[in-house]
Amino acid sequence: DIQMTQSPSSLSASVGDRVTITCRASQSISSYLNWYQQKPGKAPKLLIYAASSLQSGVPSRFSGSGSGTDFTLTISSLQPEDFATYYCQQSYSTPPTFGQGTRLEIK
Amino acid sequence: QVQLVQSGAEVKKPGASVKVSCKASGYTFTGYYMHWVRQAPGQGLEWMGWINPNSGGTNYAQKFQGRVTMTRDTSISTAYMELSRLRSDDTAVYYCARVRKMSIAVAGFDYWGQGTLVTVSS
Repeated sequence: DIQMTQSPSSLSASVGDRVTITCRASQSISSYLNWYQQKPGKAPKLLIYAASSLQSGVPSRFSGSGSGTDFTLTISSLQPEDFATYYCQQSYSTPPTFGQGTRLEIK
Repeated sequence: QVQLVQSGAEVKKPGASVKVSCKASGYTFTGYYMHWVRQAPGQGLEWMGWINPNSGGTNYAQKFQGRVTMTRDTSISTAYMELSRLRSDDTAVYYCARVRKMSIAVAGFDYWGQGTLVTVSS
């Protein structure tokens, strides 16, 4: 199975900050990388698919980059509603695996 | 609009089975693979398997082989996940999730059910 490792595990930031979350795969996954946002008590929401494509309806302050084994999710200017947990997921092979999550908290 | 609506919360005793349903609407049910993902309290997301609603074919995570069964009823656009021989560490929220690309087994999940809490306790 492909292991997905996110860093950091938690992060404190302020409204208006630029934030970057990193995801590393244990082997090359090309661009088969997706990012999700999850708020407490809610299902995950797809933000980015294929490493850098913005899902419909997602604000443009979210962006993704990377290929191979190293990927990033960037939020250009944090908004109050962005404080949540973020997960990466590889869809290169079965089983599709998730990172352990990055909890983004208000500073 | 696409919706996935899951069945309600369940409380089960160890050793019992649970069957969770996921009713799809707003799209062609047989065109998109359906996956099941679970999340234990305070933990991350764990993939359980998928079902091809068109053929009924399945692929389960090795961890759940022998305990999980995924089925579907195309007449009512509903997918099911049954987990048997429940243990306390199966306590979790169980989600169904649709793959975002038609006829592709694995891709990002663009629509999710609201989740079903399954509590296993004696």
